[in-house]
Amino acid sequence: DTGVSQNPRHKITKRGQNVTFRCDPISEHNRLYWYRQTLGQGPEFLTYFQNEAQLEKSRLLSDRFSAERPKGSFSTLEIQRTEQGDSAMYLCASSPSRGTNQPQHFGDGTRLSIL
Amino acid sequence: GESVGLHLPTLSVQEGDNSIINCAYSNSASDYFIWYKQESGKGPQFIIDIRSNMDKRQGQRVTVLLNKTVKHLSLQIAATQPGDSAVYFCAENALSGGYNKLIFGAGTRLAVHP
Repeated sequence: DTGVSQNPRHKITKRGQNVTFRCDPISEHNRLYWYRQTLGQGPEFLTYFQNEAQLEKSRLLSDRFSAERPKGSFSTLEIQRTEQGDSAMYLCASSPSRGTNQPQHFGDGTRLSIL
Repeated sequence: GESVGLHLPTLSVQEGDNSIINCAYSNSASDYFIWYKQESGKGPQFIIDIRSNMDKRQGQRVTVLLNKTVKHLSLQIAATQPGDSAVYFCAENALSGGYNKLIFGAGTRLAVHP
């Protein structure tokens, strides 16, 4: 499988706990994106990496959220002190770096449920 | 698995008919648009894209039409099949710092009946 891979697929945790998700992009893609999707809505942009550099963060990304891409390959998204409102599907996407108009390819996401 | 788009507008079609899904976008400066298909429990799957210097683009059984005057996109699916049942999203490119920051529309659920 050469698509975007996300782990875990599902995460159930108690409010106040920390969680970390992993994304492995398509291997030749330098650009990596995180989105959040709630039921009945389209994905909302959270953050973007060009190689290891985090170049953009949405105001949706509060101080409890942090994302890294230390070697320019896989990325992690951590949420500290989770709240009920963090329950959502967290999606990762990647795209090639050549040109600006390149489709983003998504993984199947991590579904987070906060008890 | 969980459902995507519980309260989305729904388009119901008979198997074999053609489907047309519409989308209005917000930014007249957007220059790149993508249609995605999302099945329950899965991530959005790329279907087709179009650049703003084009009015129409065809793929396998799908056609995207772009009307920049009224900021409208449509996705046409020919000979709709049960496997086409899913939620469909259009996304526009908000160019920022040289990369694609996608802004998604609300989505439409396509239900194909035998």
